[in-house]
Amino acid sequence: NAGVTQTPKFQVLKTGQSMTLQCAQDMNHEYMSWYRQDPGMGLRLIHYSVGAGITDQGEVPNGYNVSRSTTEDFPLRLLSAAPSQTSVYFCASRTGDRARGQYFGPGTRLTVT
Amino acid sequence: AQRVTQPEKLLSVFKGAPVELKCNYSYSGSPELFWYVQYSRQRLQLLLRHISRESIKGFTADLNKGETSFHLKKPFAQEEDSAMYYCALSGRGGSEKLVFGKGTKLTVNP
Repeated sequence: NAGVTQTPKFQVLKTGQSMTLQCAQDMNHEYMSWYRQDPGMGLRLIHYSVGAGITDQGEVPNGYNVSRSTTEDFPLRLLSAAPSQTSVYFCASRTGDRARGQYFGPGTRLTVT
Repeated sequence: AQRVTQPEKLLSVFKGAPVELKCNYSYSGSPELFWYVQYSRQRLQLLLRHISRESIKGFTADLNKGETSFHLKKPFAQEEDSAMYYCALSGRGGSEKLVFGKGTKLTVNP
């Protein structure tokens, strides 16, 4: 199993551009989440999904959209990039047993100029 | 509201010394608590979960509901333990939201 994969690894955007961060998992996990990691802030939840077709907002959802058309994929869309969205983005997935913890992807480092 | 506090941004110890990474939480219900670790150039990975009461890589963590703490301990630190450590909390039976502390960078010196 590849686990949780993310593409791209690095991305530079200009303010106002849009893009999609890709996330896929091959563990048949129902639950998937997107986090952003900023220096000194830890990880903050952006959006999450409890199954195909079901998504919900996390702590910092503004400026981001998600969809979950399949169990495997959970893309994160930046609608109009802003410098405040410069961050490292992590995708995670887990089984139905929350106590087992989450599996994280390698991250995407995004810079918005 | 769920909140996790890791009071130490940086912690430095010598090899063979005991280490304790502090984690305090705020949650009105019964929490599920985790420790995650991120080694240099690696992805974040689960280290411990309180519900299993396990010891991983010599680390243990006990949930103290009275003090609302979930400190991570190891009696003899090793250089390979150097990493970022994050404490995280999830509320039982409700929200999916997993709240992370800001992390503690542990450095184990030779």
